[in-house]
Amino acid sequence: KNEVEQSPQNLTAQEGEFITINCSYSVGISALHWLQQHPGGGIVSLFMLSSGKKKHGRLIATINIQEKHSSLHITASHPRDSAVYICARRNEKLTFGTGTRLTIIP
Amino acid sequence: EPEVTQTPSHQVTQMGQEVILRCVPISNHLYFYWYRQILGQKVEFLVSFYNNEISEKSEIFDDQFSVERPDGSNFTLKIRSTKLEDSAMYFCASTALTSTDTQYFGPGTRLTVL
Repeated sequence: KNEVEQSPQNLTAQEGEFITINCSYSVGISALHWLQQHPGGGIVSLFMLSSGKKKHGRLIATINIQEKHSSLHITASHPRDSAVYICARRNEKLTFGTGTRLTIIP
Repeated sequence: EPEVTQTPSHQVTQMGQEVILRCVPISNHLYFYWYRQILGQKVEFLVSFYNNEISEKSEIFDDQFSVERPDGSNFTLKIRSTKLEDSAMYFCASTALTSTDTQYFGPGTRLTVL
């Protein structure tokens, strides 16, 4: 059983739609990362959070420690948001989820 | 903005050969990591390194793998005798602190073992 589960695995949406990607983890964490992996393979850290909510531009990440669940939201989605979004639970090392492939259609 | 760099971007090698993947972490960072991603699969932790020694390693990181910080800037991953299944993207990451700071990733090295 993967320690970090994401849903959905694939998501296709129209430009402008509100996007939600979910992440559940099975063991306690010191923090949770949301990362973006571009088609070329590069990985960019979007957020690291251990409680509450963080916002950066059109991206919002929330976490519920008691329920071991986090969500990544994208408002007013754009084709350039198309990427794989990965959550990873953090103790010292990162344990990665399998990723959500997001495709935004113009 | 400071960034983690990796060289080469793509390495092709014959099975059984040794390869060294190089990383230059962000200059004031203290903790260093290697991850790999086999094509189509999730990213997997290999090893973490702090204060010139391995602090944690996964079961993937067997005797064929080693890491080194040969000077104040480079952080290397060596695979002694490559196997076909070592073909993957290898990412280096660094953080200033362990559990309270973001990990910054390099662009990756694509290793192809023929």
